[in-house]
Amino acid sequence: NAGVMQNPRHLVRRRGQEARLRCSPVKGHSHVYWYRQLPEEGLKFMVYLQKENIIDESGMPKERFSAEFPKEGPSILRIQQVVRGDSAAYFCASSPGLSFYEQYFGPGTRLTVT
Amino acid sequence: AQTVTQSQPEMSVQEAETVTLSCTYDTSENNYYLFWYKQPPSRQMILVIRQEAYKQQNATENRFSVNFQKAAKSFSLKISDSQLGDTAMYFCAFMKHADTGNQFYFGTGTSLTVIP
Repeated sequence: NAGVMQNPRHLVRRRGQEARLRCSPVKGHSHVYWYRQLPEEGLKFMVYLQKENIIDESGMPKERFSAEFPKEGPSILRIQQVVRGDSAAYFCASSPGLSFYEQYFGPGTRLTVT
Repeated sequence: AQTVTQSQPEMSVQEAETVTLSCTYDTSENNYYLFWYKQPPSRQMILVIRQEAYKQQNATENRFSVNFQKAAKSFSLKISDSQLGDTAMYFCAFMKHADTGNQFYFGTGTSLTVIP
């Protein structure tokens, strides 16, 4: 009865490198949400995906950030050419579908850019 | 646009006492959900309690209860008999249902410290 899994839990990258964050939703959940939490702030919505589809990416920066949720495998949030301002905790949440109002959160990935 | 405001960045309470965390929101929606999430030092987001806007009765979960005032757009969390394990960040969240998916909006959080 595994919950949402995220890995790695901690990721250190140098400026200019790429960061890949992975999220495995609760088994059977087909909806995934990514949030970013900057220090001392609440969670900010980034992107909402269903299997093989990006539904809403209105919270995603236009450049360097991308997300996918393939038919098989985890959802991936990719940040290219990371900068110091990307340092944050990135949370993934999943839900079974549109009619479900509750999201189940993963433990988050803390990204540090040096 | 929906906004969620938590005006108390930090609060403290003596163990076994009662504390109330404030939350207000702004929306033009009529049907929505409200949540309180707890984020302990482990950073895991844990759902504490939820309230459906169409329900007039305030939600209660053991020591946690809410005071939902729909007209005032207020959604405060009351923690009774505070325990040391309640020390955490608490986030108020608003959710509206859209055809393309459920959209969540979070407040900036209240850091609660339970003092032994």
